[in-house]
Amino acid sequence: TQLLEQSPQFLSIQEGENLTVYCNSSSVFSSLQWYRQEPGEGPVLLVTVVTGGEVKKLKRLTFQFGDARKDSSLHITAAQPGDTGLYLCAGSSGGYNKLIFGAGTRLAVHP
Amino acid sequence: NAGVTQTPKFRVLKTGQSMTLLCAQDMNHEYMYWYRQDPGMGLRLIHYSVGEGTTAKGEVPDGYNVSRLKKQNFLLGLESAAPSQTSVYFCASSFGNNEQFFGPGTRLTVL
Repeated sequence: TQLLEQSPQFLSIQEGENLTVYCNSSSVFSSLQWYRQEPGEGPVLLVTVVTGGEVKKLKRLTFQFGDARKDSSLHITAAQPGDTGLYLCAGSSGGYNKLIFGAGTRLAVHP
Repeated sequence: NAGVTQTPKFRVLKTGQSMTLLCAQDMNHEYMYWYRQDPGMGLRLIHYSVGEGTTAKGEVPDGYNVSRLKKQNFLLGLESAAPSQTSVYFCASSFGNNEQFFGPGTRLTVL
């Protein structure tokens, strides 16, 4: 069974701080996606990484896919209250775009 | 475009009752998915469909049935609800191996 472990589970920081969220597995994934979910809504895709070692930037967010395609990280620079939410990583597994989700990291950024 | 819609938004059932959750998408996507989200466990795939008239089991299919009679609709049924099925249910759709678009969710409580 493929599993994705996310850490930390919870993160509470002050506006302006930097943070990193990790997503680890013992399995290889063909691609890995990061989603953000706000209360009462469904997840929304932030980025997809496909190639081992790939780095993608989305404004203050930097995503990295491990060389072996088993792990990924999300780094946020100078966090803002608008970054508050649940961050989920998801690995593509078994065809038909089926996803295995991590349990998520709940981020709270305080003004 | 409405994207992915789900009805109802909330429902309370008694143990043993049945119900159907409806998911509709207007993006002409071939693939559709049903997930459940429980605290600390991320999203888990219940069933999925790769086209009209096709369905397949996901990670946690027991106690649920699905149907995809029309391309735009994917129904999730609970024949005899149990308290263990208390959860938030999300429907998603995608075009091939691309981003999954999620609905707003249905919060189900089984007493």
